[in-house]
Amino acid sequence: EPEVTQTPSHQVTQMGQEVILRCVPISNHLYFYWYRQILGQKVEFLVSFYNNEISEKSEIFDDQFSVERPDGSNFTLKIRSTKLEDSAMYFCASSGQGYTEAFFGQGTRLTVV
Amino acid sequence: AQTVTQSQPEMSVQEAETVTLSCTYDTSENNYYLFWYKQPPSRQMILVIRQEAYKQQNATENRFSVNFQKAAKSFSLKISDSQLGDTAMYFCAFMKHAGGNQFYFGTGTSLTVIP
Repeated sequence: EPEVTQTPSHQVTQMGQEVILRCVPISNHLYFYWYRQILGQKVEFLVSFYNNEISEKSEIFDDQFSVERPDGSNFTLKIRSTKLEDSAMYFCASSGQGYTEAFFGQGTRLTVV
Repeated sequence: AQTVTQSQPEMSVQEAETVTLSCTYDTSENNYYLFWYKQPPSRQMILVIRQEAYKQQNATENRFSVNFQKAAKSFSLKISDSQLGDTAMYFCAFMKHAGGNQFYFGTGTSLTVIP
């Protein structure tokens, strides 16, 4: 069964450092998303991506964040200068043509120290 | 703006019993999708069931079923014959039919199945 894969599963980084979280969405999907979940809290939308551009983003997704689809398979989230409050579980998701459910990856746990 | 409310932060149920998790939402959209996602301790988000707003018939998926009340903007999840593997965080989610496909999640209900 096709699945969304994320790497790494756990990333520890020092405050102020840049971090790149990687995702491989399901191959025939067209919509890609990043969500985050701070420990014990609800899942929050960061950004959606379609046709090689951002289609929607939340207030959380400020200038420190960027997304890229560098090739036909990867979808990355970059945080330029990490802050302690960026510590969270980051989920990548993808969905197919039409308004279908999103399939989530297993998440990357980001810890900023 | 869309909001999703789950008023039960924690629930428990005896194994083999039935439990219902509540969810209400607020939207001005007429066409939309509703979902229940399960998040076990591994923290992966797993789709449990979905409901299209234009369908009057409640969705079912094996032991999982929903009670969708569009006028009341209510979308509860019923788990029958609860199993230990059902222990997880359950999130209700809303997706607009038009535009960005963004999911709006509730705050979750932590369900514990007691042997």
